[in-house]
Amino acid sequence: GENVEQHPSTLSVQEGDSAVIKCTYSDSASNYFPWYKQELGKGPQLIIDIRSNVGEKKDQRIAVTLNKTAKHFSLHITETQPEDSAVYFCAANTGGFKTIFGAGTRLFVKA
Amino acid sequence: NAGVTQTPKFQVLKTGQSMTLQCAQDMNHEYMSWYRQDPGMGLRLIHYSVGAGITDQGEVPNGYNVSRSTTEDFPLRLLSAAPSQTSVYFCASSYSPGPQPQHFGDGTRLSIL
Repeated sequence: GENVEQHPSTLSVQEGDSAVIKCTYSDSASNYFPWYKQELGKGPQLIIDIRSNVGEKKDQRIAVTLNKTAKHFSLHITETQPEDSAVYFCAANTGGFKTIFGAGTRLFVKA
Repeated sequence: NAGVTQTPKFQVLKTGQSMTLQCAQDMNHEYMSWYRQDPGMGLRLIHYSVGAGITDQGEVPNGYNVSRSTTEDFPLRLLSAAPSQTSVYFCASSYSPGPQPQHFGDGTRLSIL
């Protein structure tokens, strides 16, 4: 079945630096790739998503890139701030009813 | 807008007990789902529903039961709780089935002793 691998599991950056989280997926039929941010004690919240007909998408300090040939996609956060500290999940959907999530990356932004 | 509401927020059970985790959404979403979150394993799909009266199994359905009698509600039942079911449970919904963003509740933290 579909598998999504995410790394690193933990990432620590200095405030103002960039952070990059990478994911790979196994099912070439995957066509929708959302990213979620989870703060302590809360449920995951969608921050950005990309569909397979697009190579890159940007929303202010957040961008996602997709390489369909290599079956990997990445989240880029620029000018990180302490409030970016959270757990980030990537996910993949093949167009069916099931979304498969990565194991998560805990991001620490040091002030 | 309340979004997705889960109750209770915390629960402690003894092995063998049964209970129902409640989930309600007020967005008229067709698709609802239940996930469990365990350290280092991300979110794993337990059951999902594509509309009232229609449910199906996800990746880890054993030991859980669901029903969907209304669009708004999607309860998750633990039939006979086991320590392996200690986890944080999240309910989510989206406007339609398929590749759509999901809206998550804030979770139920469940401990089985």
